[in-house]
Amino acid sequence: GIQVEQSPPDLILQEGANSTLRCNFSDSVNNLQWFHQNPWGQLINLFYIPSGTKQNGRLSATTVATERYSLLYISSSQTTDSGVYFCAVVSMEGASKLTFGTGTRLQVTL
Amino acid sequence: DVKVTQSSRYLVKRTGEKVFLECVQDMDHENMFWYRQDPGLGLRLIYFSYDVKMKEKGDIPEGYSVSREKKERFSLILESASTNQTSMYLCASRIGGGLGTEAFFGQGTRLTVV
Repeated sequence: GIQVEQSPPDLILQEGANSTLRCNFSDSVNNLQWFHQNPWGQLINLFYIPSGTKQNGRLSATTVATERYSLLYISSSQTTDSGVYFCAVVSMEGASKLTFGTGTRLQVTL
Repeated sequence: DVKVTQSSRYLVKRTGEKVFLECVQDMDHENMFWYRQDPGLGLRLIYFSYDVKMKEKGDIPEGYSVSREKKERFSLILESASTNQTSMYLCASRIGGGLGTEAFFGQGTRLTVV
C-alpha cells in the first residue's frame, strides 16, 4: 500500500517563529488532507489539498502531486499551534481508505 | 458545519465485556470509518463502510466488528474486550461516490480495558 512519511518527527519553536512541515507519499493520490490533533485528541481539519496551494490565516499548504509531496507552512507560530500535525492521503487505488503519516509533534514555547 | 459525534470521550471496561462505540454524523455522508491510534503506531484503519449495511475490513479488523443499520450511525463492537484494545478510537465520515472528498473526524473515545 501507499507509504506516507512526515518530517521532521519533532519540532520545537519559539513563539513567533516560522516552520515548514513536509509530507512525502509513495504513490499517486487524489485526496490529501492536513490535520492538527489538539491536546484532547481531536483531529481538526486544516486543509483539503490534493493539489495546488491554499492559505488560511497564518497557515498555508502546497501539494505538488506530480512530485508526491505536500508542505504545511506555519508563520508567526503561537503556543496554541502546539500539538501533532498529520498528513493523510487516499491513493488512486485506495478504495476510499485514508492513510496517515506518522505525524510531526510541534511544541511552541514562549 | 459537518458534525461527527462519538458517544463517549472516556470509557473504562472490563476484560471480556462486549463494548459498543457509537458514531453519528449529521451530513448524510455515505462513507464512515473507524480508526485506532496508538503511540508509535499512528492511526490505523479498523473498518469502513461505503453505505448502509455495507462494510469492509481495514488493516486491523481482528477482534472487532461493525454495524451500519442507518446512514448516520456507524458502530464499532468489541466482542470480548481485551487489554490490548486499550486505545484511542476515532470515527470519521465523508461524502461517497468518489475518492476525492474531505473526511471529518469525531472527538475521539479513549477506551481503557482493565
